[in-house]
Amino acid sequence: DAMVIQNPRYQVTQFGKPVTLSCSQTLNHNVMYWYQQKSSQAPKLLFHYYDKDFNNEADTPDNFQSRRPNTSFCFLDIRSPGLGDAAMYLCATSLDRGYEKLFFGSGTQLSVL
Amino acid sequence: GNSVTQMEGPVTLSEEAFLTINCTYTATGYPSLFWYVQYPGEGLQLLLKATKADDKGSNKGFEATYRKETTSFHLEKGSVQVSDSAVYFCALTTNSGGSNYKLTFGKGTLLTVNP
Repeated sequence: DAMVIQNPRYQVTQFGKPVTLSCSQTLNHNVMYWYQQKSSQAPKLLFHYYDKDFNNEADTPDNFQSRRPNTSFCFLDIRSPGLGDAAMYLCATSLDRGYEKLFFGSGTQLSVL
Repeated sequence: GNSVTQMEGPVTLSEEAFLTINCTYTATGYPSLFWYVQYPGEGLQLLLKATKADDKGSNKGFEATYRKETTSFHLEKGSVQVSDSAVYFCALTTNSGGSNYKLTFGKGTLLTVNP
């Protein structure tokens, strides 16, 4: 049974057209993360939510935003996608901050045309 | 800052061969070290971990020993199976500044095991 669910699996958008990726979890975990993984590179943390507390990484572009309307859902919004934003986007959860085991979704592969 | 370097892939082995995937790290503070595995079409999942020097993490026949003196956490398995084909990620967290929730990953190593 999937515990961290990302939809859609593949997303195609146009250059400059806003796009939203979604993540849901059935684990009731406090922390939700968004990672960006480009081809042959390490997953890179964009931001995370600790409950409703949003924590942005210093080098995350302003073009990337996130929303967490409730414990179960978290969204990644890309306001004006560029070609360089094409990547796999990974959502993950952990029980609490400092809890070292992360649970990942299968990811959403974003293409920008 | 923290960083993880793992051996370049892809790695291709025959079934029952011995596997080593090298991982070295640089970190402030006292890192915890992890190996995550990503099977085709699935999310990353924790394979094993070690939280202090000389600890050995093990799971599903895989092992890795936390070597502080060489800043390494190499992944090994004595006899691989076709079902071990996946991408393997080395990762770390540190307790520096309360940011131990943040995983720093290596680039991943693709392993393909042929029958």
